[in-house]
Amino acid sequence: DTEVTQTPKHLVMGMTNKKSLKCEQHMGHRAMYWYKQKAKKPPELMFVYSYEKLSINESVPSRFSPECPNSSLLNLHLHALQPEDSALYLCASSSLAKNVYGYTFGSGTRLTVV
Amino acid sequence: AQKVTQAQTEISVVEKEDVTLDCVYETRDTTYYLFWYKQPPSGELVFLIRRNSFDEQNEISGRYSWNFQKSTSSFNFTITASQVVDSAVYFCALSGLDSGGSNYKLTFGKGTLLTVNP
Repeated sequence: DTEVTQTPKHLVMGMTNKKSLKCEQHMGHRAMYWYKQKAKKPPELMFVYSYEKLSINESVPSRFSPECPNSSLLNLHLHALQPEDSALYLCASSSLAKNVYGYTFGSGTRLTVV
Repeated sequence: AQKVTQAQTEISVVEKEDVTLDCVYETRDTTYYLFWYKQPPSGELVFLIRRNSFDEQNEISGRYSWNFQKSTSSFNFTITASQVVDSAVYFCALSGLDSGGSNYKLTFGKGTLLTVNP
């Protein structure tokens, strides 16, 4: 299995809702990432997990809460989002924190906040 | 700090033309990795190539070729005989240590939108 699977593919949520994005990989990668991509912009790093521990938080608002329950799963919990949080959320993994073997990206979750 | 510059925002070519996408990077690391990704309208990021900082060998893969020059901090990407299916946003990216020196981060350029017209 050489894929990163993200669910759901599309999500519409209200500003008072609580939802979660899920990311799964079975490649044995020990580094996992969340990126946010607005339209016509490059992906921007949000969080990095290395060996299931949060190692980088790029000053992301607390309404985004990451979780790494095990080495194969990465979640992003969403609460009280704003319309400007609408974006494509990409998950990625890499085999080592040093990224020697590069990154594998999921196909993303398109989030719309209404 | 690391930075990737893709000066070409949009490029439009006619099918079968060759096209080169430019990428210039900045980093203080001596060990780093450079990538090119393709993002079609469907949104997924498709990995094209990875280069480490010690390997300046150019590479050709089918219609794709890459020219890595450390002297000019450039990692340019050429598509030969372009096809309509090559239409996408192409991102150059750099993986290097963060400011704390303990984690690798992947930093993207702003991307180049390539449109190949029939």
